[in-house]
Amino acid sequence: ILNVEQSPQSLHVQEGDSTNFTCSFPSSNFYALHWYRWETAKSPEALFVMTLNGDEKKKGRISATLNTKEGYSYLYIKGSQPEDSATYLCAFRVGGTSYGKLTFGQGTILTVHP
Amino acid sequence: GAVVSQHPSRVICKSGTSVKIECRSLDFQATTMFWYRQFPKKSLMLMATSNEGSKATYEQGVEKDKFLINHASLTLSTLTVTSAHPEDSSFYICSARRVGDSYNEQFFGPGTRLTVL
Repeated sequence: ILNVEQSPQSLHVQEGDSTNFTCSFPSSNFYALHWYRWETAKSPEALFVMTLNGDEKKKGRISATLNTKEGYSYLYIKGSQPEDSATYLCAFRVGGTSYGKLTFGQGTILTVHP
Repeated sequence: GAVVSQHPSRVICKSGTSVKIECRSLDFQATTMFWYRQFPKKSLMLMATSNEGSKATYEQGVEKDKFLINHASLTLSTLTVTSAHPEDSSFYICSARRVGDSYNEQFFGPGTRLTVL
């Protein structure tokens, strides 16, 4: 059973604060690490797919880093806005499977207060 | 692009009835679709993987006779919860993998909330 852990479980920040949270995953047999943003009553939205150790990806005010050797990824949000409030999910994919099975963490619930 | 719809978004049924949930890729063809279940305050748990035209692959502990999956075309997969019981009440969500995509990015539907009375 693969263990994908996200921390913290929830986070409350003020508008304008920068924040970050962590996804831990097995360091062996790595293939890809996915980040999703999931707003209430909507579909989870893909943010990043990270594949190489040392990868850094950026999308607007959101960025992510990847360390496959130690098994963690950080997601950063710079200057949080209320519309960033959502659950952020990471998902780990092992190598060797042909159909892309993802194992999800339990998510970090971010609330940005105006 | 890469929009996935699910229908219905919410369903309430009586114990013993069967419920069908549809997952459609609206603007792309999906070689593979995935069905997940989410329990309260838990992560998305993969139930099964379906490939168009072939039998679904179920995860350990998921009863295939209970959760019937059909993937009849490259844009539609259905999950039927047969003889539903209150313990089947949950949030079910599907995702689809687009033909030709590398690294297996999955595009999700908005989910279906099933309540069995």
